[in-house]
Amino acid sequence: EIVLTQSPATLSLSPGERATLSCRASQSVSSYLAWYQQKPGQAPRLLIYDASNRATGIPARFSGSGSGTDFTLTISSLEPEDFAVYYCQQRSNWPHSFGQGTKLEIK
Amino acid sequence: EVQLVQSGAEVKKPGESLKISCKGSGYSFTGYWIGWVRQMPGKGLEWMGIIYPGDSDTRYSPSFQGQVTISADKSITTAYLQWSSLKASDTAIYYCARSNGGFDYWGQGTLVTVSS
Repeated sequence: EIVLTQSPATLSLSPGERATLSCRASQSVSSYLAWYQQKPGQAPRLLIYDASNRATGIPARFSGSGSGTDFTLTISSLEPEDFAVYYCQQRSNWPHSFGQGTKLEIK
Repeated sequence: EVQLVQSGAEVKKPGESLKISCKGSGYSFTGYWIGWVRQMPGKGLEWMGIIYPGDSDTRYSPSFQGQVTISADKSITTAYLQWSSLKASDTAIYYCARSNGGFDYWGQGTLVTVSS
């Protein structure tokens, strides 16, 4: 089973700043990695699929990069609505595991 | 419009059985995998398993294999998650989601509470 490790666990930033979130896989997942955003009381929302492709309707300030075992989600300039929990997920091997999440909080 | 609509919240006692549902509409139900994701109170997302309604091919996470059963009825475009004997530790929100690259559409979640 592939283990995804996200860092940091919590990231404290201010609106307008740049956010960089990391996801590391225990073995290569090629480019089969997705990122999700989840706000309290809501279902997760797909942001990025296949490492670098923005999902439908996702603002351009969200970008993804990486391949193999190391991936990054970047939010170029934080908006107030971006403060949430972010998860990565791989679909290279069954089971399609999630990372443990990074909480992005307002500083 | 793609929609996944899940059945309502459930309150059950330990040892009871349960089947929750996820009805898909607005797309070809048999052409996409449907997955189930658990979120325990205050915790992260856990991938439970997935089914391809076109041929009922089903895959489980080892953590959930034997603990739950995933099924689908393509005639009514509905996927299911069921338990034969619930435990208190099954208390969680359960989401279904369509797999298309990532999980691109999600149900609203079903809260399952297991308490004596």
